[in-house]
Amino acid sequence: DGGITQSPKYLFRKEGQNVTLSCEQNLNHDAMYWYRQDPGQGLRLIYYSQIVNDFQKGDIAEGYSVSREKKESFPLTVTSAQKNPTAFYLCASRKLAGGTLSYNEQFFGPGTRLTVL
Amino acid sequence: GQQLNQSPQSMFIQEGEDVSMNCTSSSIFNTWLWYKQDPGEGPVLLIALYKAGELTSNGRLTAQFGITRKDSFLNISASIPSDVGIYFCAGPPIAGGTSYGKLTFGQGTILTVHP
Repeated sequence: DGGITQSPKYLFRKEGQNVTLSCEQNLNHDAMYWYRQDPGQGLRLIYYSQIVNDFQKGDIAEGYSVSREKKESFPLTVTSAQKNPTAFYLCASRKLAGGTLSYNEQFFGPGTRLTVL
Repeated sequence: GQQLNQSPQSMFIQEGEDVSMNCTSSSIFNTWLWYKQDPGEGPVLLIALYKAGELTSNGRLTAQFGITRKDSFLNISASIPSDVGIYFCAGPPIAGGTSYGKLTFGQGTILTVHP
């Protein structure tokens, strides 16, 4: 079955440590996205990538880094510079334009809940 | 940046009741997306709308793309306990530049259904 996987589901980190969240998709989608969700709030864009080896900052990129070495994978590193990293992190992907507006549809993974101890 | 205003913020209803929620923007959208998020899970796409005035159904869910292209509505009929969750509207902003398929999300409507 095609889909998006994120691992781990729960992650605990000590202050001052970097941690990497995994996101893999087998939908053959070109674009991938990372969002952060805090309780009672909507989704805020951290980073996104249209193609391999290229990515752009979203609205809240400070304290985060990403890489896109493979089409299927878009890992997110939460660095020690992120002041308040405890949150629910969501990865999404979409196919590029195919002549219809359906290319706007993003599909999400199950999320990773990060807690800083 | 652009914001989507979603209302109500939360709803507490009895099983069997109908639900209505809406999303408004100060600028026009060419696509409206409605997602549902179960507790602790990622959002799942429920309905996608692509044309002003379009009315689309998915089971007990019906969504409409507003004529002005600045709003959208989601209705749930005969609610059941598994409808519990957070409902988000989303859309790609049109104005200016290349959006790279970025979506703007509403703040979400939290739905609670009492048996």
